[in-house]
Amino acid sequence: DAGVIQSPRHEVTEMGQEVTLRCKPISGHNSLFWYRQTMMRGLELLIYFNNNVPIDDSGMPEDRFSAKMPNASFSTLKIQPSEPRDSAVYFCASRSQGYGTEAFFGQGTRLTVV
Amino acid sequence: QKEVEQDPGPLSVPEGAIVSLNCTYSNSAFQYFMWYRQYSRKGPELLMYTYSSGNKEDGRFTAQVDKSSKYISLFIRDSQPSDSATYLCAIQPPFSSASKIIFGSGTRLSIRP
Repeated sequence: DAGVIQSPRHEVTEMGQEVTLRCKPISGHNSLFWYRQTMMRGLELLIYFNNNVPIDDSGMPEDRFSAKMPNASFSTLKIQPSEPRDSAVYFCASRSQGYGTEAFFGQGTRLTVV
Repeated sequence: QKEVEQDPGPLSVPEGAIVSLNCTYSNSAFQYFMWYRQYSRKGPELLMYTYSSGNKEDGRFTAQVDKSSKYISLFIRDSQPSDSATYLCAIQPPFSSASKIIFGSGTRLSIRP
């Protein structure tokens, strides 16, 4: 398996533009997580899905953020409109259901909003 | 109060030193504790996983859980420059086998040759 695949790897956009980040989880994993990492706040959980259903979106900072998982092999995180404070590295991770099972992370998308 | 707290460092030690990395957590019901390692410009990867109290050893790495004080530690013996990375503690709440994983903020570690 190629692991968790995220695209794009880097994104530079202007303030106010819409940004869409994409994630393909590992086949067979039924939990998917979106995290955001910054120097100031560390690795923050934004939202997670089980069996394609959003379970907890309490970490989504504002209504400008939305996430979907239309099927077991694809998820998107959208920011509309983007702001400079959204600049961060966004990680997608997936894991099998169970206690202590490992979460596998993608390489991340480095987002810069100017 | 955050569910898991970690000193962000940075921490710099000479090669060969023993390194101690620590986290505290808030809920005594937590039983599943993990350490992830993140190299620069990469995603985190699972290093060690422990359940409940006690120690777990894997080569030069030892993970320790003290449930009475809600304290988790990672020790690195004979540290090497290749150990330079950010180390993140993580917990999984026991309420559901499908529950989320919550990470500490990470400690940036540098091993000087």
